[in-house]
Amino acid sequence: SAVISQKPSRDICQRGTSLTIQCQVDSQVTMMFWYRQQPGQSLTLIATANQGSEATYESGFVIDKFPISRPNLTFSTLTVSNMSPEDSSIYLCSVGRTQYNEQFFGPGTRLTVL
Amino acid sequence: GENVEQHPSTLSVQEGDSAVIKCTYSDSASNYFPWYKQELGKGPQLIIDIRSNVGEKKDQRIAVTLNKTAKHFSLHITETQPEDSAVYFCAAILTGANSKLTFGKGITLSVRP
Repeated sequence: SAVISQKPSRDICQRGTSLTIQCQVDSQVTMMFWYRQQPGQSLTLIATANQGSEATYESGFVIDKFPISRPNLTFSTLTVSNMSPEDSSIYLCSVGRTQYNEQFFGPGTRLTVL
Repeated sequence: GENVEQHPSTLSVQEGDSAVIKCTYSDSASNYFPWYKQELGKGPQLIIDIRSNVGEKKDQRIAVTLNKTAKHFSLHITETQPEDSAVYFCAAILTGANSKLTFGKGITLSVRP
């Protein structure tokens, strides 16, 4: 498995502002994903972060709201833009190896929007 | 697309007893089934997985069984301990480029001391 870290671990933000979440992996990985987990709910895939190209977004998620960067094979960022209280969630980074599709998750970023 | 259902939503067992959590999936082509454990305040942890060419897999106190005909797979935890208390998520996927995990809604397991 990979060691995955996320920064920040938690934050409280004002509505209308933006927050950038960082995901760092200790080894190169092919696949990186961003998920949202609303309180008491399951995991919802936001997008697949592609190295060197634009992220692939799932239905209901758009680049203007959740811009993603992936400059190399060990790092990615997710920005939550123009936040509202409905964006209060846990945001999780995960990494995978294409061949077997095993995914390993980071510790998450707990976001509260006031 | 794939649909994964998990029942019940909560399960309470006495310490030392066994716990069984069952998931059903809809896409018969799915070939990889992981289980995740999420403790309070942490990210999901992959605890065991099974591929469609295997009927059962065991790792110490946990095991997973797969019934492809009925399209369900189950997590078995024996000799439960309080530290097994967590939310457990099952998932399914047809592995390959651009494929995505589909998660169940999760079950909260409580182990009573």
